[in-house]
Amino acid sequence: VMTQSPATLSVSPGERATLSCRASQIVHTNVAWYQQQPGQAPRLLMYDASTGATGIPDRFSGSGSGTEFTLTISSLQSEDFAVYFCQQYNGWPQTFGRGTKLEIK
Amino acid sequence: QVQLVQSGADVRKPGASVRVSCKSSGYTFTRHYIHWVRQAPGQGLEWMGWINPRNGGTDYVQKFQGRVAMTRDTSIETTYMELRGLTSDDTAVYYCARMVTSGDYFFDLWGQGTLVTVSS
Repeated sequence: VMTQSPATLSVSPGERATLSCRASQIVHTNVAWYQQQPGQAPRLLMYDASTGATGIPDRFSGSGSGTEFTLTISSLQSEDFAVYFCQQYNGWPQTFGRGTKLEIK
Repeated sequence: QVQLVQSGADVRKPGASVRVSCKSSGYTFTRHYIHWVRQAPGQGLEWMGWINPRNGGTDYVQKFQGRVAMTRDTSIETTYMELRGLTSDDTAVYYCARMVTSGDYFFDLWGQGTLVTVSS
């Protein structure tokens, strides 16, 4: 089970956002993060916990290993307000967290 | 252009079946497994299973065993997900997603989603 916190995060544009994801078992660094805008499909942001996907701005960074993972957005832009999901792909079946909604403060 | 394009929204009655298609383009169809993930209204993402376009091999989450079938047509580079015995709990947006070639189960390309509504 992947547990994301908080469920909703309110942050002002230009500030830093830190999203957390905790795994119920050790998943090493087999974690991906996705961004989902309203009415759109998820988009891959990060994989292997800290590797940015192609075309992802460097204000996005990921960290963690074992059971604790973090996605950080260093300076929030208007297009970053969305829902973020973490996913573990170490165990079968792979599972997603329930998401963190990042909203404008 | 590298993309996955899904079929349009569908409305089905309880007990019926639905088939959603996912057309691949812009890459070698047989190199990437296609997975299906669904999202009920206001809920998170739920993985359903995968199909290997090269040989048609499949694997499904136990929850959907016996009720789901994933197939492909290599001549038109399209995969399909059929779900039978629909209930209102199956109302969701269904996504196809391309798995990376490393063998790790994460997804670098998604279809636009297909809303399936189950209602009498």
